[in-house]
Amino acid sequence: EVQLLESGGGLVQPGGSLRLSCAASGFTFSSYAMSWVRQAPGKGLEWISGISGSGGSTYYADSVKGRFTISRDNSKNTLYLQMHSLRVEDTAVYYCAKGTDSSAWYAYYSDNWGQGILVTVSS
Amino acid sequence: QSVLTQPPSASGTPGQRVTISCSGSSSNIGSNYVYWYQQLPGTAPKLLIYRNNQRPSAVPDRFYGSKSGTSASLAISGLRSEDEADYYCAAWDDSLSGVVFGGGTKLTVL
Repeated sequence: EVQLLESGGGLVQPGGSLRLSCAASGFTFSSYAMSWVRQAPGKGLEWISGISGSGGSTYYADSVKGRFTISRDNSKNTLYLQMHSLRVEDTAVYYCAKGTDSSAWYAYYSDNWGQGILVTVSS
Repeated sequence: QSVLTQPPSASGTPGQRVTISCSGSSSNIGSNYVYWYQQLPGTAPKLLIYRNNQRPSAVPDRFYGSKSGTSASLAISGLRSEDEADYYCAAWDDSLSGVVFGGGTKLTVL
């Protein structure tokens, strides 16, 4: 059974930094791309970043490009999201999501999701 | 403003059939797969339809996905109270090099 467990969320001031982690189990982690998807309170889903199975390719939404960095440690079966220069509008539940292939164009669609972790950016 | 366009709401009575539309462009739906997700209140999204019209084994055949040109649809037949949820379409966008979602459709079972 695929399991994805996010951690590292919490309250941070505008301009601050935070690192999210996602511990994966139940599948061969290195064989699948992974993504981060967020959902602001009362709003819809927003895909913000994806990384290939090897970690060699990364993609970002314009809303986070230059501020967020996605990475993975395949030896630890863990996905990360380093967030800098956080803004009030980054407040959301952040989901870790498993992709459907290692690196093909369709790899970044998600077929399994974590339970989500709340990040609140506020002074 | 979402790249993919969905109606914000839909409704039906138990047993009825409802359809949710998702409109995009040539750079997303027109050239790539459409996925559909169901999000029950207070929970994480769950995969409902993949590769336009394929259902994971645990999803009942009351759920049906289709795609034509730059639009896609999710049909739910034999509506049940437990189908009350938010539904999202998604597609890879070649121009943006990322996955784009629709704004979501809140389905109410009357």
